[in-house]
Amino acid sequence: EPEVTQTPSHQVTQMGQEVILRCVPISNHLYFYWYRQILGQKVEFLVSFYNNEISEKSEIFDDQFSVERPDGSNFTLKIRSTKLEDSAMYFCASSAANTDTQYFGPGTRLTVL
Amino acid sequence: QKEVEQNSGPLSVPEGAIASLNCTYSDRGSQSFFWYRQYSGKSPELIMFIYSNGDKEDGRFTAQLNKASQYVSLLIRDSQPSDSATYLCAVNIGDYKLSFGAGTTVTVRA
Repeated sequence: EPEVTQTPSHQVTQMGQEVILRCVPISNHLYFYWYRQILGQKVEFLVSFYNNEISEKSEIFDDQFSVERPDGSNFTLKIRSTKLEDSAMYFCASSAANTDTQYFGPGTRLTVL
Repeated sequence: QKEVEQNSGPLSVPEGAIASLNCTYSDRGSQSFFWYRQYSGKSPELIMFIYSNGDKEDGRFTAQLNKASQYVSLLIRDSQPSDSATYLCAVNIGDYKLSFGAGTTVTVRA
């Protein structure tokens, strides 16, 4: 069964450093998403992406964040200058249509020291 | 303004019993509703989706939707210890995002 994959599973970085989180969505899906979950809190929407552009973004997704689909399979989330409060699980998801079921990857645990 | 609210847990049920989970949402325009299961340290895993008013059954799970009351629920019949997890209600808000509730943690006692 097709699934969303994410790398790395765990990323440790120093405050102020740039990180890139990578995702491979399900191959025939057209809509891609990033969510995050701070430990003990709810899953929060960051951004959605379709047809090579951002469809919607949340207040969390400020100028420090960017997304890219560099090729036909990968979808990346970049945080330019990490802060302590960026420590969280980051989940990539994909769906076949915009209101269709979103399937989540296993997540990347980002720890900012 | 909270968009999706779930009944606060934790919910403890004996093995074989029915677990009942509730969720309300604020956006009357929402059309798609989802229940995800999340084990500790893992990602959300889809259990069910429902788009129309009424009941939808899949194995031991039944989702119920009432758009007039802005209410969606999940019943887990014949609960098993492996059902012990946090259950997340998610609702499409607008066209491009899911809004999640805080989750209800279910513990099934053997």
